[in-house]
Amino acid sequence: SQKIEQNSEALNIQEGKTATLTCNYTNYSPAYLQWYRQDPGRGPVFLLLIRENEKEKRKERLKVTFDTTLKQSLFHITASQPADSATYLCALANDYKLSFGAGTTVTVRA
Amino acid sequence: GAVVSQHPSRVICKSGTSVKIECRSLDFQATTMFWYRQFPKQSLMLMATSNEGSKATYEQGVEKDKFLINHASLTLSTLTVTSAHPEDSSFYICSARSSQGLSGNTIYFGEGSWLTVV
Repeated sequence: SQKIEQNSEALNIQEGKTATLTCNYTNYSPAYLQWYRQDPGRGPVFLLLIRENEKEKRKERLKVTFDTTLKQSLFHITASQPADSATYLCALANDYKLSFGAGTTVTVRA
Repeated sequence: GAVVSQHPSRVICKSGTSVKIECRSLDFQATTMFWYRQFPKQSLMLMATSNEGSKATYEQGVEKDKFLINHASLTLSTLTVTSAHPEDSSFYICSARSSQGLSGNTIYFGEGSWLTVV
């Protein structure tokens, strides 16, 4: 069965450092992968989409890589700020049905 | 930007009663809407996919007679939890797929609805 694993449940980092989150999957061949941010008690907010034929995508301080051989995506938040504290979800899809990982909660200390 | 609105954001109901949650796309037409359920510290689990004017497609293990979905227009889908029980207490989130303009084929999520069954 399909499995999506995000590296750790929680990640604590110092402001200004880079947070790196991992999303690994098995038994799946997604056409694209998305990363979302979710704040407590709120719905997910879309951040970035990367397609299977793309290696890397950037948006402001965010960077996503996608390695379909390793079946892994890395999500980087550079120059992290306390406002980046949230849970980050990866989601895989072939059509518009998304399969989500459990998320990694990032806490950025000032 | 595109907005998806859910109502109510929080609802408490008595065990055995039914409760309806609405999901509206405010500035775009949504040909497809999705309903998810999320338990604390867990992932979003897709419950069903609804297409305007047709029956919803439910994921394995989701009871279609318990979770009634109606997608009567291109901007509104409703989820009715029938004969709710405490184990149905959860965070229900909808998403909508836009097929228009610059937002074409993008998925937008609502803010979610907290259901507590007492």
